[in-house]
Amino acid sequence: NAGVTQTPKFQVLKTGQSMTLQCAQDMNHNSMYWYRQDPGMGLRLIYYSASEGTTDKGEVPNGYNVSRLNKREFSLRLESAAPSQTSVYFCASSEKGSRDGYTFGSGTRLTVV
Amino acid sequence: GENVEQHPSTLSVQEGDSAVIKCTYSDSASNYFPWYKQELGKRPQLIIDIRSNVGEKKDQRIAVTLNKTAKHFSLHITETQPEDSAVYFCAASMGYQKVTFGTGTKLQVIP
Repeated sequence: NAGVTQTPKFQVLKTGQSMTLQCAQDMNHNSMYWYRQDPGMGLRLIYYSASEGTTDKGEVPNGYNVSRLNKREFSLRLESAAPSQTSVYFCASSEKGSRDGYTFGSGTRLTVV
Repeated sequence: GENVEQHPSTLSVQEGDSAVIKCTYSDSASNYFPWYKQELGKRPQLIIDIRSNVGEKKDQRIAVTLNKTAKHFSLHITETQPEDSAVYFCAASMGYQKVTFGTGTKLQVIP
């Protein structure tokens, strides 16, 4: 039982390059999230998907797009990476009505140079 | 939207002492307040939570208190141990989803 799997774990991009961060969960959760973590700023919500087929903006969506490919998978795309997007990205999932809280992936450390 | 403030940003305590982390929230509709612990280089993990219809909750050495009127909630860790050293995040949400996190408290327990 893997929980939430994120790939890649590390990535270095040049300014202007694009990439997709992948996330998959095997817990049959309806809701999935992408957060970024920056020093002194905690975890900020980029996008979330309350259920398969829906996505909504979070606190810091600019420069990102998402796709809820199916119930298991939720990807985050950077179309034209900027140095300000250097961060650690966490995917998480949860089940509506569940007191189990979020299950986080192991994170992706992204550096944009 | 919801705004969660967390203090202090860093906290050092001697092993065996207590540690207290305080948070405030802005949205009176929030009714779920989880706390996450993140060890160095690892993912955040839920350690305890409280709902707005409860004033206090304990789980062994950790406890959370909630003052709904003042929109304050706190994490209390007693008899601290070196393995309690980590970053702790408070959070708030309406329902159990789409939580807003505080900025984190780095707790160092000195042996």
